Amino acid sequence: NAGVTQTPKFQVLKTGQSMTLQCAQDMNHEYMSWYRQDPGMGLRLIHYSVGAGITDQGEVPNGYNVSRSTTEDFPLRLLSAAPSQTSVYFCASSRQGFTTEAFFGQGTRLTVV
Amino acid sequence: GEDVEQSLFLSVREGDSSVINCTYTDSSSTYLYWYKQEPGAGLQLLTYIFSNMDMKQDQRLTVLLNKKDKHLSLRIADTQTGDSAIYFCAERSLYGGSQGNLIFGKGTKLSVKP
Repeated sequence: NAGVTQTPKFQVLKTGQSMTLQCAQDMNHEYMSWYRQDPGMGLRLIHYSVGAGITDQGEVPNGYNVSRSTTEDFPLRLLSAAPSQTSVYFCASSRQGFTTEAFFGQGTRLTVV
Repeated sequence: GEDVEQSLFLSVREGDSSVINCTYTDSSSTYLYWYKQEPGAGLQLLTYIFSNMDMKQDQRLTVLLNKKDKHLSLRIADTQTGDSAIYFCAERSLYGGSQGNLIFGKGTKLSVKP
């Protein structure tokens, strides 16, 4: 059981480039979300989805797009990378319901130069 | 809006108890969580507590909740060097722009000295 898989693990981009961070889960979870982690800032929610075809913005959505065409996949797109997007990105998934555990991927460390 | 506050650092000696504190603002929070992050890894759920409870114990971990003061604490008994990590407090509320999602504190870095 793979859980939540994020690719790539590391990425260096030049300012202005675009890229997609991949996230896949094999647990048939309804909820999926993207967080970014910055030193001293904790984890901040970027975008989330409560099911296929449904997405919504979190706390820091600017500069990012998401889509949820299947239950399993929730890619995060950086449209035009900026140095302020240098961060560690985590994808999480969980079943619907508040008692359920959120499972996290191992993270993608992104550097924008 | 929702906000979760934690102190950033805690240092203890091996064998002592560690107490990590957290305050939150959202009175509609139904569940509160403690996650652990080891270096270079993702987050792992340690324990959670429902807002109508005031204490939960799980082996070396004790969670205390003071709902009136919106204060949550995690006590680790007999702290070991393997407990060195960042500990995140998180809440999950019914309302707000991130409905149903986890709102995290900034994390407390626990250092355990031998």
